[in-house]
Amino acid sequence: AAGVIQSPRHLIKEKRETATLKCYPIPRHDTVYWYQQGPGQDPQFLISFYEKMQSDKGSIPDRFSAQQFSDYHSELNMSSLELGDSALYFCASRAGPRSGNTIYFGEGSWLTVV
Amino acid sequence: DAKTTQPNSMESNEEEPVHLPCNHSTISGTDYIHWYRQLPSQGPEYVIHGLTSNVNNRMASLAIAEDRKSSTLILHRATLRDAAVYYCILIIQGAQKLVFGQGTRLTINP
Repeated sequence: AAGVIQSPRHLIKEKRETATLKCYPIPRHDTVYWYQQGPGQDPQFLISFYEKMQSDKGSIPDRFSAQQFSDYHSELNMSSLELGDSALYFCASRAGPRSGNTIYFGEGSWLTVV
Repeated sequence: DAKTTQPNSMESNEEEPVHLPCNHSTISGTDYIHWYRQLPSQGPEYVIHGLTSNVNNRMASLAIAEDRKSSTLILHRATLRDAAVYYCILIIQGAQKLVFGQGTRLTINP
């Protein structure tokens, strides 16, 4: 079965650069989530979208922005990168808020800021 | 989001059952009990969820206390591939996100 696809899997950027992570949800899933997991930390919720509209917002820095497109894929844009942004970024998807709570995660994108 | 409490770590042996406890004394009547696990360098993976009754699936069983203030995830026959961090999470039906707390790091000895 198709899973959540994230790209790139690994990314190295320098401080103050910009990075974009992409997420392709499971087909027919219309809800997308972004999580950040620092080294040795638990996943932290950043932001979510339902039907291309932002549905919830967590501890996402102002330097970060995200959107969900008409084909339901999502992109997380990170600007003015800092060393502390080095983390594993997970995207997850679900088949709408009323179809059960099971959320499926991708394999993650490793961002290293040097 | 209601809070859950789990032991930081647990250890078990291969092919033995494992009981992972979770306390959620402030659970409300509409909170579902979800378990996810995260294997090293992988995304979190859904394990099981329940509301009031015990639940079984191919991965595990979930035993929910009668007062719902605690629950136990049961792996009937642990394998080395079950070594992971297990998260017990409470969410309201239809809620928009999972909030991860401190999970239990499960080590399986050969």
